Amino acid sequence: QSVLTQPPSASGTPGQRVTISCSGSSSNIGSNTVNWYQQLPGTAPKVLIYNNNQRPSGVPDRFSGSKSGTSASLAISGLRSEDEADYYCATWDDSLNGRGVFGGGTKLTVL
Amino acid sequence: QLQLQESGPGLVKPSETLSLICTVSGGSVSSTYYYWGWIRQPPGKGLEWIGSIYYSGYTYYNPSLKSRVTISVDTSRNHFSLKLNSVTAADTAVYYCARHEFSGMTVFGVTKNWFDPWGQGTLVTVSS
Repeated sequence: QSVLTQPPSASGTPGQRVTISCSGSSSNIGSNTVNWYQQLPGTAPKVLIYNNNQRPSGVPDRFSGSKSGTSASLAISGLRSEDEADYYCATWDDSLNGRGVFGGGTKLTVL
Repeated sequence: QLQLQESGPGLVKPSETLSLICTVSGGSVSSTYYYWGWIRQPPGKGLEWIGSIYYSGYTYYNPSLKSRVTISVDTSRNHFSLKLNSVTAADTAVYYCARHEFSGMTVFGVTKNWFDPWGQGTLVTVSS
């Protein structure tokens, strides 16, 4: 059972906008920044969004992140077939002397 | 361009110790700006942070694994290592190493905490 809750699946058609949610609590999302990772099939994860809404260089601006209270969201606009992947939210949790935590992941299917 | 590469046995017997090395190229584990971390992913499942180390040897561990984990750094060889003892089948996973952009736990909280880049990962199976 992950500390951060994500929907197990999401889907959309090319060109559509999809959002993936990540729900936490006051000890994690509520008090720390959120990051998002994309894991393409058979590859290592790659950071997509850091510090809630910052994109590393090379990440298209179709990807955006936001945070409000104890929840965060990843939005993907202009959906493309190559966006089909697993997406994970992550943050720090202040409980148990502190630990890094990930969401359970959301498998995005491009129909 | 910074690259990380995991290496170590792909098969470990139950109750024994899993040992992996992450070799860093294109950068230095002695950098004062970064930590270096280990993350694992059981087959078909999600990601779990194992722990991270600073060049000085200061470590943060996941409390759920802390009693079995040791992470060390060798600045002369530009690599860092993971040891996980008393393994069981539940420790079967792809193990990733990554550079950890991490502020540590400061008086202002944890102000940065993300992994970039990652190694390609190595599958470790625990089986007799």
